[in-house]
Amino acid sequence: DAEITQSPRHKITETGRQVTLACHQTWNHNNMFWYRQDLGHGLRLIHYSYGVQDTNKGEVSDGYSVSRSNTEDLPLTLESAASSQTSVYFCASSKTSGIWSGELFFGEGSRLTVL
Amino acid sequence: KNEVEQSPQNLTAQEGEFITINCSYSVGISALHWLQQHPGGGIVSLFMLSSGKKKHGRLIATINIQEKHSSLHITASHPRDSAVYICAVRARDDKIIFGKGTRLHILP
Repeated sequence: DAEITQSPRHKITETGRQVTLACHQTWNHNNMFWYRQDLGHGLRLIHYSYGVQDTNKGEVSDGYSVSRSNTEDLPLTLESAASSQTSVYFCASSKTSGIWSGELFFGEGSRLTVL
Repeated sequence: KNEVEQSPQNLTAQEGEFITINCSYSVGISALHWLQQHPGGGIVSLFMLSSGKKKHGRLIATINIQEKHSSLHITASHPRDSAVYICAVRARDDKIIFGKGTRLHILP
């Protein structure tokens, strides 16, 4: 079955370290998104991509970067982790056309703690 | 003001009660999503709709495009329905804007 997977599911790191969260989907979806979820804020968009080599900033992109070298993967990198980036991170994907276009599929989340 | 507002923020009800969660939005949209998130769990898409009404089991979602309003109803609620329900809209540029969620607790 097609799926979307995130890794690691849990990560503890120190301030200043570089961290990469992986997101891999097997639906061949064009659209991929990274969100962070914090109490009182709901889900906030960090970065998104509409296809290979396409990346765009979301509302809370400072301190994060993404790259899209193939359809399946959109890794999220924290260049220099900060305590304010302690959060739960969700990756999502959706199709852009045809049957089921627009339907959202989420990964199971990655809980990141920055000490 | 948030572009997507949900009400109530928290809801506690007895098993068997009819539940309604509301979502109002202020932007032009191409679709609206209702999502479910169990405690400590991932996020699952319940419905995606752009007009009218959809039903899946005990869950019903409705949308009124003119009034920019959607409702999620749960009939014969059960403790396993306890979760956070999130409304999200797909804006014209394909971005998804999320509400802050409604925390539902169904007591046995």
